[in-house]
Amino acid sequence: NAGVTQTPKFRILKIGQSMTLQCTQDMNHNYMYWYRQDPGMGLKLIYYSVGAGITDKGEVPNGYNVSRSTTEDFPLRLELAAPSQTSVYFCASSYVGGAQETQYFGPGTRLLVL
Amino acid sequence: QKEVEQNSGPLSVPEGAIASLNCTYSDRGSQSFFWYRQYSGKSPELIMFIYSNGDKEDGRFTAQLNKASQYVSLLIRDSQPSDSATYLCAVNMRGDSNYQLIWGAGTKLIIKP
Repeated sequence: NAGVTQTPKFRILKIGQSMTLQCTQDMNHNYMYWYRQDPGMGLKLIYYSVGAGITDKGEVPNGYNVSRSTTEDFPLRLELAAPSQTSVYFCASSYVGGAQETQYFGPGTRLLVL
Repeated sequence: QKEVEQNSGPLSVPEGAIASLNCTYSDRGSQSFFWYRQYSGKSPELIMFIYSNGDKEDGRFTAQLNKASQYVSLLIRDSQPSDSATYLCAVNMRGDSNYQLIWGAGTKLIIKP
């Protein structure tokens, strides 16, 4: 199993550009999450999904959009990139409903908006 | 506002000593508690989880939970230089039909050879 994979690893955007961060998991997890982590800070939840077709906002959703058409994929869309969106983005997944609800993380995408 | 608090450190510990990391949380209804380790430039990885009051041991790691005092701690025995990392505490927040973790900002641990 590859676990949680994310692409790209690193990207530079100009202000106002848009992009999609890809996330795929092969563990058949029902829940998926997008976090951002600013330097020296903890993880902030952007959006999460409890299953295909169901998404909900987290703590910091402004400027982002998500969709979940399949169990495996959970892309994050940035519209009109701003310098405040410079951060490291982590996708995670978990199986909620079992004995352990551990979140497993992808390797992250480092985004720089100039 | 549900919060998880950690001392940001850095916490410097000599090699071979015990490292003690602490975390407090505000939501009395929290039921699941996690410790993750994050090396610089890498993603968080799970070390331990704990659900019940008391101690839970896994190798050199011991998690301690005290729900009455709303704190959870992580002890690392026989600390090694490879234990140098940032340790994130995460606490569940269970709502009507969702499941979220609230994360602390992390404690940076440095093990000195």
